[in-house]
Amino acid sequence: DGGITQSPKYLFRKEGQNVTLSCEQNLNHDAMYWYRQDPGQGLRLIYYSQIVNDFQKGDIAEGYSVSREKKESFPLTVTSAQKNPTAFYLCASTPKRISANTGELFFGEGSRLTVL
Amino acid sequence: AQSVTQLDSQVPVFEEAPVELRCNYSSSVSVYLFWYVQYPNQGLQLLLKYLSGSTLVKGINGFEAEFNKSQTSFHLRKPSVHISDTAEYFCAAYGNQFYFGTGTSLTVIP
Repeated sequence: DGGITQSPKYLFRKEGQNVTLSCEQNLNHDAMYWYRQDPGQGLRLIYYSQIVNDFQKGDIAEGYSVSREKKESFPLTVTSAQKNPTAFYLCASTPKRISANTGELFFGEGSRLTVL
Repeated sequence: AQSVTQLDSQVPVFEEAPVELRCNYSSSVSVYLFWYVQYPNQGLQLLLKYLSGSTLVKGINGFEAEFNKSQTSFHLRKPSVHISDTAEYFCAAYGNQFYFGTGTSLTVIP
């Protein structure tokens, strides 16, 4: 079945360590997104990518980095510069690029990162 | 600036009772509107969407929503809730990017 796969589901890291969250989609979607979710704050956009080898910062990009070397993959690295990295991270995709008719967001199951 | 407001952070309701989750959006341009549901430690699942056409939109699990342009609202309703409807619900709007509300936690009481 087509969908978005995020891994790992749960991740524990020590302060100061970089961590990379994986996001793979087999929906043949053009655009991919990373959101951060904290209790009571809804979803906040970290980065998004509309085509391979191109990505843009979202509202809270500081302390994060991404790459888009393949259409199917959009990994997120949480760097040691991110001051409060403990959160639930959601990867999503849309069929088309940002436009008047980009379609709805399809979400992965999420990755919960806890920094000790 | 475009934003989405969910007026209730928590909504408790008894099983088999009706429920309405409120959502207002601010926009001076045409928008697409969505409701998503999230179960604990899972991703978001689309309940329904309004793109154009009929203002009454029906979704999965017996939910429906009504787009009201004059009141800039897109409230979600279900005539009779079930225990399994207990979850977090997010309203979202798309203008030139996606905007999410802060969520409403629906708790169905047996």
